[in-house]
Amino acid sequence: DTGVSQDPRHKITKRGQNVTFRCDPISEHNRLYWYRQTLGQGPEFLTYFQNEAQLEKSRLLSDRFSAERPKGSFSTLEIQRTEQGDSAMYLCASIGGEGLRPGQGAFFGQGTRLTVV
Amino acid sequence: EDQVTQSPEALRLQEGESSSLNCSYTVSGLRGLFWYRQDPGKGPEFLFTLYSAGEEKEKERLKATLTKKESFLHITAPKPEDSATYLCAVRTNYGGSQGNLIFGKGTKLSVKP
Repeated sequence: DTGVSQDPRHKITKRGQNVTFRCDPISEHNRLYWYRQTLGQGPEFLTYFQNEAQLEKSRLLSDRFSAERPKGSFSTLEIQRTEQGDSAMYLCASIGGEGLRPGQGAFFGQGTRLTVV
Repeated sequence: EDQVTQSPEALRLQEGESSSLNCSYTVSGLRGLFWYRQDPGKGPEFLFTLYSAGEEKEKERLKATLTKKESFLHITAPKPEDSATYLCAVRTNYGGSQGNLIFGKGTKLSVKP
């Protein structure tokens, strides 16, 4: 257990429905990341928060995707009008603040497996 | 464009048969190279961070090394429990955000008893 928890672990939804995932990072970590991973591929960066501010978004993050991190604690990732191409593992990672050596290594949660049928 | 390439895609070893996994990278400026282990259906588990050419890190049967163009993950006398996908990732100079890692596709390691 890395200390990063994600909920739910699995989600099956019908095409066109909205889904929301939650990530609880390690409590003292101020930086939070969302990644997407499809079968046989490495994780791909989606977006990044420092505290409550969303500082960076990948071009992979279409208008149907939105992420929030209210009060700089947990984060949610919502996908609206899901498509079959959204089927993937959605991973959350957190990393500590300035006190930790840069690049110490992001700690990942177990992921949410999304299947769009 | 920043790129990370891992080889081989898959590797089958007998228990005790040592080998190496390769991660070659092309980036504008390296701010860290990371190795992760990923078991099926789980998130990546952090193993090592390497910062500069010549650096080495060890953990149990694993040893990671770094040159200016590539990194190797050496596995000595592997055991079946070392079976997993090993991911390599780099963090580059621009982008600014710590942890914005660019991953390779991974090497799937199978160790047979």
